[in-house]
Parts: sequence; structure tokens; C-alpha cells
Amino acid sequence: EPEVTQTPSHQVTQMGQEVILRCVPISNHLYFYWYRQILGQKVEFLVSFYNNEISEKSEIFDDQFSVERPDGSNFTLKIRSTKLEDSAMYFCASGIDSNQPQHFGDGTRLSIL
Amino acid sequence: AQSVTQPDIHITVSEGASLELRCNYSYGATPYLFWYVQSPGQGLQLLLKYFSGDTLVQGIKGFEAEFKRSQSSFNLRKPSVHWSDAAEYFCAVGAPGGGADGLTFGKGTHLIIQP
Repeated sequence: EPEVTQTPSHQVTQMGQEVILRCVPISNHLYFYWYRQILGQKVEFLVSFYNNEISEKSEIFDDQFSVERPDGSNFTLKIRSTKLEDSAMYFCASGIDSNQPQHFGDGTRLSIL
Repeated sequence: AQSVTQPDIHITVSEGASLELRCNYSYGATPYLFWYVQSPGQGLQLLLKYFSGDTLVQGIKGFEAEFKRSQSSFNLRKPSVHWSDAAEYFCAVGAPGGGADGLTFGKGTHLIIQP
């Protein structure tokens, strides 16, 4: 069964550095999402992406964050000037269309030191 | 604003016993409803979904959930749990009709299975 893949599985970065989290959505999916889960808290929506542009974003998704689909397969989340509070598990998800459930990757654990 | 409440942070069930995990939501209309399961170190796997129609939905791994509009609830059930069901369970809501809106998740219920 096709799945969403995320790399790396664990990323350790110094505070203030930029980090790029990578995702390969399921190939025929058109909607792409990023979520984060701070340790011990619930999964929170960050941003959705469709037709090469951001469709929706939450309050969390401020100017520090950006997303890109640089080619036909990858979907990336960039965090500029990371802060300690950015430490979390980041999940990528994709959906074939707007009426189908989202399929999640296994996540990237981001640790900011 | 929409919200999802999972009132039980932890639930302990004996292997072979029945299970019910509670989920209540607050939304302006009937949303799309989902249950996801997260095993340690893994991502979120969809167990089942409700969009419309029959209010009792069947999912994978023997799970089912019932949508009750009057109670704004979407409780997850399983008649007989297995040790492999130990995991974190998340209820989530999405905008009716889909769209690119993100899902709103509950805080999760940690299921512990006793031998």
C-alpha cells in the first residue's frame, strides 16, 4: 500500500539554525499538509497546500515557516531561525482529494538544542 | 471554533475485554469525523471515518464507531481487545465537504492492555 514518507526520522539542530523537513506524499494525491505534535500534547494543524499554493494555515504557521513543493514528488517544510519551542514531532499528510481522509507519514522528530 | 474532547487520558483494559473510547466535538455543522491510532514511534494510521449516511461505521482491526448527532459524539468501540491494540488513539474532525482545511485533533487517549 502506498504511503507517505518523511525524512529524516530525527533531526537535531542548534537554536537559530534553519531546518528543512522533507516529505514524499502518495503519488496521486493532490492535497498536502503539515502538522506538529509537541511532546505530550495534541496534534496541531500547521498548513495545507493545494495547486502549488497554501490553501489554509493556522496561527502557528507564522513567517518563520514556509512550505514548498520543489518538484513533482517532494513537499518540504522550512523553519527559519529555529527556537527551543519548535521542538516537536512534525507530521506530513496527503489526500487524494478534499473529500478523502488524510494519510500521515511516520513523522520527523525535531529537537532544538 | 471547532474543538474535540477526549475525556479519558488513559484507559486500561484487560485483553479480551470490550473497549469504548469517548470523543465529543464542537462544530457549527456535522463535520467529517475520524479516528486515528498512533503506535509508539510511528505515524497516525486511519482506523475509520464518518462522512455521512449510516451512523455506525466499521473500520480496520475490528474497530467501529457510532456517530450520535444529539450528543455530538463519535465514540470508538471494539468488542474484544488484543495486546497489539495498545497505542494512542486520536479523534479528529474535519470540515464538512472536505476542502483543504486541516483536521482538528483531540488530545488523545492512551490505551493500556493488561494481560
